[in-house]
Amino acid sequence: GAVVSQHPSRVICKSGTSVKIECRSLDFQATTMFWYRQFPKQSLMLMATSNEGSKATYEQGVEKDKFLINHASLTLSTLTVTSAHPEDSSFYICSATSDRGTDEQYFGPGTRLTVT
Amino acid sequence: AQRVTQPEKLLSVFKGAPVELKCNYSYSGSPELFWYVQYSRQRLQLLLRHISRESIKGFTADLNKGETSFHLKKPFAQEEDSAMYYCALSAGGYNKLIFGAGTRLAVHP
Repeated sequence: GAVVSQHPSRVICKSGTSVKIECRSLDFQATTMFWYRQFPKQSLMLMATSNEGSKATYEQGVEKDKFLINHASLTLSTLTVTSAHPEDSSFYICSATSDRGTDEQYFGPGTRLTVT
Repeated sequence: AQRVTQPEKLLSVFKGAPVELKCNYSYSGSPELFWYVQYSRQRLQLLLRHISRESIKGFTADLNKGETSFHLKKPFAQEEDSAMYYCALSAGGYNKLIFGAGTRLAVHP
């Protein structure tokens, strides 16, 4: 149990376009979802925390107008990278905590974004 | 400032040797520390957390508040332990995690 999926696993887009990444909790309801960014050979950096039905809380230095997060239901959160630039190329990972009483974060497999 | 430091990028050992992956943290409050592991081509998964005081896959980690450390140890490394290990600190509301840079453990036969 406690599986988190992400779609797509890889995406290539052109500079200036927007791309949406989905994060789903498959067998549980996610009270909170997190979005991380990971540069090559570097650690995960928390971008934002989102709760269903409310606005996401962004970490310092993360542009909320650039990285739009929507947590429309207890099983789905989306991250939209708007007007993407090559420097947005990265590995984006989501995680979720369950409504089952434990605060463990369950991680998705990640999405590799390449902006050309 | 909240920070997690993993000083070693790579730790290379032979099978059967003891392993210690270092983690130091900086946090003004009462910390909650975790070790996460990422095996090749797999997602990040929780290995252990300090409050559970468990041994998982032979690994243990003790929180030392005096030294602000949470080193991960295993007495006899196995080849299947080869992976990327991340130390993480839970800070603030909603269990936000701050990750260290990670240490790659390579266990050779």
